[in-house]
This record gives sequence, C-alpha cells and structure tokens, in this order.
Amino acid sequence: SQQGEEDPQALSIQEGENATMNCSYKTSINNLQWYRQNSGRGLVHLILIRSNEREKHSGRLRVTLDTSKKSSSLLITASRAADTASYFCATGDNFGNEKLTFGTGTRLTIIP
Amino acid sequence: DAGVIQSPRHEVTEMGQEVTLRCKPISGHDYLFWYRQTMMRGLELLIYFNNNVPIDDSGMPEDRFSAKMPNASFSTLKIQPSEPRDSAVYFCASSRLAGANTGELFFGEGSRLTVL
Repeated sequence: SQQGEEDPQALSIQEGENATMNCSYKTSINNLQWYRQNSGRGLVHLILIRSNEREKHSGRLRVTLDTSKKSSSLLITASRAADTASYFCATGDNFGNEKLTFGTGTRLTIIP
Repeated sequence: DAGVIQSPRHEVTEMGQEVTLRCKPISGHDYLFWYRQTMMRGLELLIYFNNNVPIDDSGMPEDRFSAKMPNASFSTLKIQPSEPRDSAVYFCASSRLAGANTGELFFGEGSRLTVL
C-alpha cells in the first residue's frame, strides 16, 4: 500500500519558474526522503529530512516537513529543462525496520 | 563505484516461462531491496535483505516469486512460472549499514519485464 500521496499528479511549468510538489503520509515517520526518476531510469536520491527538522535546503531544492499535518513539500526554484522527471516522496517509519515506502509520484514537465 | 548493477535491462518472455533477474549491490552496502514499479500500483517493496539474510518478504506477491542473496555482491529475483500480470519494471536498491531509516537508497536502472 502507498504511504505517501503526492500532489499534484502532474505539473507543467515554464522554464525558470518555481515548482512545488506536496506529499502527504499516514503513519508516524522517522524521516522523509525525496527521489527523482528520469524516464526509463532508476530513482535518484535528492534530499532527506528527519522528523525533528522543519526545513532543509540543497542547492535549488527546499524541503519542508510538517509532522502535525503529516505532510511535506518539495520546492524546486528556477526550474530547468533537465528537471523534467517524476518526483517521489518516501517515508521510513518508526517501527524499527528499514523499509522505505514510496508515494505515487508527481510528474514534472519543464517547458523550455 | 559502478553503482547498483541490474541485468537484464529488458526481458520479454512468454507466460509460464521462468524469469531470473539479477542484481549486484554497491560494495560495502549491507542492505538490498527489491522493488516493483507499475503504473497501477506504483513502487512496491517486494523483499529486503540485511547482510544477505531476508528480513521482510511480506511484499512478495505469491509463491511464484522467490529471492536469494547467496553473498554480499549478488542477489536474484526469480519468477516461476511467469504470468502477464508480472509485467513491470523491477528495481534493485542498496544502502549502507545504517539502513533505509537513516540513509538513502541507491537504485539500479531496473529490469523491464514483459510477459506475453
């Protein structure tokens, strides 16, 4: 079953604009991660935010986490054509195991 | 480091045939995960290993699926007999000692399976 649900399912923006994707999850988490998947390729880790953190930055990426609302957002600033991909959130739970459960993904298209 | 290596990249087979997918994790990674990706169900965790030992196989859909990890550098996922509904992209991923709860997963490029 899917732990995370991304919103929107698909997003198209002009190059240079900012892209925001949201993720909601259901159970208590240890951390939340975001991954990118280019078409026909494997997933690539972007950023990890722990349950006691509220915001984290990495280059043009900004991730926020609101554990009270069980939600996270990924902001990509100054988007580029190369950012076209699917983006997934993934959660590690608090039950002592090492499983990462992935959401349904947001397909992002950057229009040059 | 070459990353996680999966083979074959593409496999087309007929219903009833045996399919074996292979994975070489990153050296030094103690955790290995098998995921399946379909449009309908997204990314599903099938099974994962720690130090070559299967820890959780609750995601394996049925007895037709089996996975082994005979050593730290090799794992297989086998489907016997295969069915059209097994058509999907199968990903192998590995992570370091700390595991998925504190670290990132490194994914292979996937094996795209089509069962006719």
